[in-house]
Amino acid sequence: KQEVTQIPAALSVPEGENLVLNCSFTDSAIYNLQWFRQDPGKGLTSLLLIQSSQREQTSGRLNASLDKSSGRSTLYIAASQPGDSATYLCAVTYSGGGADGLTFGKGTHLIIQP
Amino acid sequence: EPEVTQTPSHQVTQMGQEVILRCVPISNHLYFYWYRQILGQKVEFLVSFYNNEISEKSEIFDDQFSVERPDGSNFTLKIRSTKLEDSAMYFCASEGQAPEAFFGQGTRLTVV
Repeated sequence: KQEVTQIPAALSVPEGENLVLNCSFTDSAIYNLQWFRQDPGKGLTSLLLIQSSQREQTSGRLNASLDKSSGRSTLYIAASQPGDSATYLCAVTYSGGGADGLTFGKGTHLIIQP
Repeated sequence: EPEVTQTPSHQVTQMGQEVILRCVPISNHLYFYWYRQILGQKVEFLVSFYNNEISEKSEIFDDQFSVERPDGSNFTLKIRSTKLEDSAMYFCASEGQAPEAFFGQGTRLTVV
């Protein structure tokens, strides 16, 4: 059974700091990896998608990297803002064609202190 | 910007009752999914749907669950006889040609 682990479970940092969230997965044969943001009681907002042939993706202040061989991904957030406070979820899928669902980690609960 | 919409946002039902959760996926998407998230736990895959049939389902998706795409726009999840442990947030997601999943805002199901 595939497992996705996210470390740390919670993180609180002052505004303006750069930070890194970690995700690891047990089976390196992933098809793609997706980072989401979840606000309390809300849905999931897709942040970045990294396909298995890619090593990183960037969107604004966010940068996600993927190292398949070691089974790891990181989400780097630059110049954090209070509005970045949310739970960040990492999820992987193991086949293409849309048949396979995403396997999620439990998330990192991030608080940015003003 | 296109989005996945789910209704209702909150549903309260008595144990043993049937519920139908509704979703309108993004219009040109091909793959449709249901996930659930029990409070404080991981988001869990329930079922995927493509070309008018189930593609994959998890162990959670037992005979009490069913999915339908009754017309060109709606995608529904039915729970035939709800149990207390079915209380969760249910998310619908859709995916197009690009393998990026887009999620709705969820339906909070409370079984009493």
